[in-house]
Amino acid sequence: NAGVTQTPKFRVLKTGQSMTLLCAQDMNHEYMYWYRQDPGMGLRLIHYSVGEGTTAKGEVPDGYNVSRLKKQNFLLGLESAAPSQTSVYFCASSYSTGLPAGNEQFFGPGTRLTVL
Amino acid sequence: GENVEQHPSTLSVQEGDSAVIKCTYSDSASNYFPWYKQELGKRPQLIIDIRSNVGEKKDQRIAVTLNKTAKHFSLHITETQPEDSAVYFCAASKRVNYGGATNKLIFGTGTLLAVQP
Repeated sequence: NAGVTQTPKFRVLKTGQSMTLLCAQDMNHEYMYWYRQDPGMGLRLIHYSVGEGTTAKGEVPDGYNVSRLKKQNFLLGLESAAPSQTSVYFCASSYSTGLPAGNEQFFGPGTRLTVL
Repeated sequence: GENVEQHPSTLSVQEGDSAVIKCTYSDSASNYFPWYKQELGKRPQLIIDIRSNVGEKKDQRIAVTLNKTAKHFSLHITETQPEDSAVYFCAASKRVNYGGATNKLIFGTGTLLAVQP
């Protein structure tokens, strides 16, 4: 049981280049999330998904797109990378409990992205 | 939208002392408050959480208290050990509906805890 995995672990891009970050989970979770982590700013939600084929915007969605074609995978795309997108990106997933309150999100190991 | 403030940003304690980290939230509809620990270079991991129908929750050396009226919640670590050194994040969320339903976590900015041997 690998939990939540992310590829790649590190990447350096030039301004204007595009790339896709892949998140995979083997826990049969309904919900998946993409966050970015910047020094002094905590974790900020970029996009999330409540199930296969559905996505929604988080706090900081501009410059990113996502797709959830399979339940176990959640892809984050940068169409034209900018230096402001230099960050550590974390994927997370969680169960759908049907409860009125939240539950644990399981995080991947992160992807460190540098845009020059 | 929801805003979560966390204090202090850094905290240094002697081994064996207690540590307290405080967070306030803005949205009175928030109903779930987790705390995550992140060691250097690692992923965040949940250490304890509390829901709005509970005022306090304990798990060995860690405890969380929630004051819904004042809209603040706190993490308490007793008998601190060097392995407690990490960045701690509080978060808050409320149930939102989008087709199904999910919870969008809003995180505080983190507290770097250093436990001196």
